[in-house]
Amino acid sequence: SQQGEEDPQALSIQEGENATMNCSYKTSINNLQWYRQNSGRGLVHLILIRSNEREKHSGRLRVTLDTSKKSSSLLITASRAADTASYFCATDKGANSKLTFGKGITLSVRP
Amino acid sequence: KAGVTQTPRYLIKTRGQQVTLSCSPISGHRSVSWYQQTPGQGLQFLFEYFSETQRNKGNFPGRFSGRQFSNSRSEMNVSTLELGDSALYLCASSSPPGHSYEQYFGPGTRLTVT
Repeated sequence: SQQGEEDPQALSIQEGENATMNCSYKTSINNLQWYRQNSGRGLVHLILIRSNEREKHSGRLRVTLDTSKKSSSLLITASRAADTASYFCATDKGANSKLTFGKGITLSVRP
Repeated sequence: KAGVTQTPRYLIKTRGQQVTLSCSPISGHRSVSWYQQTPGQGLQFLFEYFSETQRNKGNFPGRFSGRQFSNSRSEMNVSTLELGDSALYLCASSSPPGHSYEQYFGPGTRLTVT
């Protein structure tokens, strides 16, 4: 069963705009990660935020985590056509637990 | 460092056959996890190996099995293939071990069962 649920399921924006994607989960977590997947290839790790963190930045990425609402958001600023991909959130309950992925968000960035 | 490699990249099998997929983790990574990705079910965890021992297992039937060798390379095997086993199979390695850390994914093996 999926732990994370992303929304929207699909997002289409113009190059240069910001993209915001949300992820909600059901049970308490240890960490939350965001991954990107280009067209049926392997996943690429974007950012990891721990349950005691509220916000994290990496380049054009900003991730927030609200454990009281069991939700996270991923913001990509100044999007580029190369950001077109599927984005997944994934949660774990500890180092020895499995990683549970959401169904993903398809982001299309129009040039 | 070379990334995670998976072989073969594409595979076509017939129902009832068995298949073995291989994964070589990043050098120095001792934890390897396997995932199945389908359009309907998304990404689902199969199992994780660390130091040749299975540490975690997902909710898949016994037809799905795996193992890890002393050099950390891992194989997964699916016996008596069904049409529903058609999927992208991804492996990932990490260091330190465990899913609280960044996972490095291979390109996947696309399995088609006819």
